[in-house]
Amino acid sequence: SYVLTQPPSVSVAPGKTARITCGRDNIGSKSVHWYQQKPGQAPVLVIYYDNDRPSGIPERFSGSNSGNTATLTISRVEAGDEADYYCQVWDGNSDHFYAFGTGTKVTVL
Amino acid sequence: EVQLVESGGGLVQPGGSLRLSCVASGLVVSTHYLSWIRQTPGKGLEWVSGFHGGGAIDYALSVKGRFTISRDDYKNTLFLQMDTLRAEDTALYFCVGGRGNIFFEYWGQGTPVTVSS
Repeated sequence: SYVLTQPPSVSVAPGKTARITCGRDNIGSKSVHWYQQKPGQAPVLVIYYDNDRPSGIPERFSGSNSGNTATLTISRVEAGDEADYYCQVWDGNSDHFYAFGTGTKVTVL
Repeated sequence: EVQLVESGGGLVQPGGSLRLSCVASGLVVSTHYLSWIRQTPGKGLEWVSGFHGGGAIDYALSVKGRFTISRDDYKNTLFLQMDTLRAEDTALYFCVGGRGNIFFEYWGQGTPVTVSS
């Protein structure tokens, strides 16, 4: 199976920085995309192609990807950032085509 | 503004069938890449099936041979015919899409499917 491993939870104080990791062997060779999902809502794309932001996503959201780990960084965390976050890759050469991470619950203290 | 509105979910017995629909507005289904993704508390997000470039279709191994994706370009609607349903198909099914097939820009609100006797 194509597993992207994320920490189940991350806690962060308002105004601080949250870092959410997404791990897999050689993930740095793939493009990683990130989604934010608030309770009862559909996921929202917040980062694509490792570090690009869709229109309307604050600059506080950024990404990086190298080696075996991709990271979503949320700077100056706000209460409204509390949500589940999922990473995702596309691998057209595998039977899975699309793989999602296990998800990380970000709690703002 | 892009909107994807799913319908057709519900309760069905194991072995039964359901047909999900997704009406799109603000994008043209024939020129965008559309997929179905499902979500369960236990397994998280799972891509199910989708249209790729040139009308090519793909399925996750878990549904291949049981689910069929299609679209009606005149009605700008995406469908998912689900046959021989199993308990493990129970999930919230999202219609998703984008200008490419690498990530998912647009998401519907989802339609729930429960397979249970």
